[in-house]
Amino acid sequence: QSALTQPASVSGSPGQSITISCTGSSSDIGTYDYVSWYQQRPGKAPKLMIYDVVNRPSGAPSRFSGSKSGNAASLTISGLQADDDATYYCSSYTTMNTLVFGGGTKLTVL
Amino acid sequence: EVQLEESGGGLVKPGGSLRLSCAASGFAPGFVFSNAWVTWVRQAPGKGLEWVGLILSMIGGGTTDFAAPVKGRFSLSRDDSRRTVFLEMSNLKADDTAVYYCSTQKTVGAMEYWGPGTLVTVSS
Repeated sequence: QSALTQPASVSGSPGQSITISCTGSSSDIGTYDYVSWYQQRPGKAPKLMIYDVVNRPSGAPSRFSGSKSGNAASLTISGLQADDDATYYCSSYTTMNTLVFGGGTKLTVL
Repeated sequence: EVQLEESGGGLVKPGGSLRLSCAASGFAPGFVFSNAWVTWVRQAPGKGLEWVGLILSMIGGGTTDFAAPVKGRFSLSRDDSRRTVFLEMSNLKADDTAVYYCSTQKTVGAMEYWGPGTLVTVSS
């Protein structure tokens, strides 16, 4: 199972909006609405930010939103804050009953 | 609040074995450890996240699934009376060197609670 494809890095200024893409295939994102997004800071465990494509768990700010179209998913962060500076990973359930992650996207808040 | 804590990591020689534990403590509305699906994810130094495996609840049959790189070498078990899941790793390779995290799933593939991780280093 190949990893999902994410851009290595994105950047934005405080107050701006950014979108991180996550491209998979018909074996994962294209078949299931089980796409999640995680935020990870250095030396820390990942934190769930979006699940089931569009849902936010309690504790995740409303500035975070998710979407999906075909074999690709996206995470949008609006009103960027300095605290959003972190690495973001997407994941998807697959037709092989496994889970696959993207390679991670480093978000830099300028 | 539910907390998970991994233990058992350390330095092991190639071909060796190690058993990691993931113990849950605390409570949260709707969270029952015996109903939880527990996932293990690892992260090699400076690399991204990699799914390792999953154990369903005993009600779900206690079924396990593993990623291709570890299938046949890793196994999972659980002791719900101790709120603990065990990851048995054998025939370890240098590529298995990573921080190993355990987590519980909120829904399919959505890992809600995470432990801080335990480092496994495979080296001679």
